[in-house]
Amino acid sequence: ETGVTQTPRHLVMGMTNKKSLKCEQHLGHNAMYWYKQSAKKPLELMFVYSLEERVENNSVPSRFSPECPNSSHLFLHLHTLQPEDSALYLCASSQNTQVVETQYFGPGTRLLVL
Amino acid sequence: GNSVTQMEGPVTLSEEAFLTINCTYTATGYPSLFWYVQYPGEGLQLLLKATKADDKGSNKGFEATYRKETTSFHLEKGSVQVSDSAVYFCALRSNDYKLSFGAGTTVTVRA
Repeated sequence: ETGVTQTPRHLVMGMTNKKSLKCEQHLGHNAMYWYKQSAKKPLELMFVYSLEERVENNSVPSRFSPECPNSSHLFLHLHTLQPEDSALYLCASSQNTQVVETQYFGPGTRLLVL
Repeated sequence: GNSVTQMEGPVTLSEEAFLTINCTYTATGYPSLFWYVQYPGEGLQLLLKATKADDKGSNKGFEATYRKETTSFHLEKGSVQVSDSAVYFCALRSNDYKLSFGAGTTVTVRA
């Protein structure tokens, strides 16, 4: 596979469940990102990892917990979510975090919290 | 802080029509500017980018010129096709890790 992949593509979970989203990039990049895309709102950056270290946490509630075990993989662990957390969660990667670098996005995980 | 304002949609066009989507920005420093496209059911794909003033990004018949004097990065295509139906996002990146996105413009092209 090439590019940025995300699994699962769709997820339905109850508020008491624990689940994880997975992102994998095959581009040899050193930076990875989680974004949230809600209906009628601009994309919101959630987390940034550079060389497996978290460099940005954009005021995200603790019920979202990221993990970056290596430069190719990024996880988003979910627990006790709320219905308003239903959204499309997009993973992205870039060569590094410099301003001119392009971010490449995965297809997203469509999450529904009941 | 950084912000991006793009024209609200939805925009509906006929095939072979001319498309313009306006985008203006506010940023500190020297931002890089991007247009991303999101086709139905998919993630975002980079359409084009420009990293300094007066640069022109182009791809798949789309063009946008980085205008520092008007802080704009308008997207244009001379002759759209049905396959161009998608949501288009203008974005910028300046001095930090974050891509700041506009709200997105939904474009529908009718045959």
